[in-house]
Amino acid sequence: DAGVTQSPTHLIKTRGQQVTLRCSPKSGHDTVSWYQQALGQGPQFIFQYYEEEERQRGNFPDRFSGHQFPNYSSELNVNALLLGDSALYLCASRPRQGIMNTEAFFGQGTRLTVV
Amino acid sequence: AQSVTQLGSHVSVSEGALVLLRCNYSSSVPPYLFWYVQYPNQGLQLLLKYTSAATLVKGINGFEAEFKKSETSFHLTKPSAHMSDAAEYFCAVSVSWSSASKIIFGSGTRLSIRP
Repeated sequence: DAGVTQSPTHLIKTRGQQVTLRCSPKSGHDTVSWYQQALGQGPQFIFQYYEEEERQRGNFPDRFSGHQFPNYSSELNVNALLLGDSALYLCASRPRQGIMNTEAFFGQGTRLTVV
Repeated sequence: AQSVTQLGSHVSVSEGALVLLRCNYSSSVPPYLFWYVQYPNQGLQLLLKYTSAATLVKGINGFEAEFKKSETSFHLTKPSAHMSDAAEYFCAVSVSWSSASKIIFGSGTRLSIRP
């Protein structure tokens, strides 16, 4: 059983560019969340998708947007990249049922470097 | 608002010594608490979770945590440290609304093991 898979693993972009990160959830999971982890910090919640809709959003600007597809996979898009967007971006999936007491499964992350 | 606080950004112990990583939570409702571990350049892996079934929770790799409501604590322990335990550890709490949920992470504790 494949876990959460993310692509690409590493990415280097220039300020002002746009980037798309991809995530496939663990089999049987229908809820996908994205987190940003800056160096030396804990992951920060960006947003969560369920049934192809954004359900909750953290304190991130509109430059951060996402999408969920019918097969539950998801994309994170970041426009007008800033140097401060450099971070590890983690995708997490959970089953919708019993979501509160079930752990989130995390992918290996995408390391984004903005130069 | 629910939150977790990890005391000590860096803990260093000798191989074979007791490991104690501290976490305190703030929650107006019974919390769902987790401990995750992150090895360098990797995603997050669940160590253990508290979901109110038992106050002493056993996890993987010999780790355990005790939920103490009177102290609002959920400290992580391991009787005997191993070199392979060197990693970043995150305490986390699950938060939900009617249509969504997220996990709030502490700032992390880096565990170093001395030979």
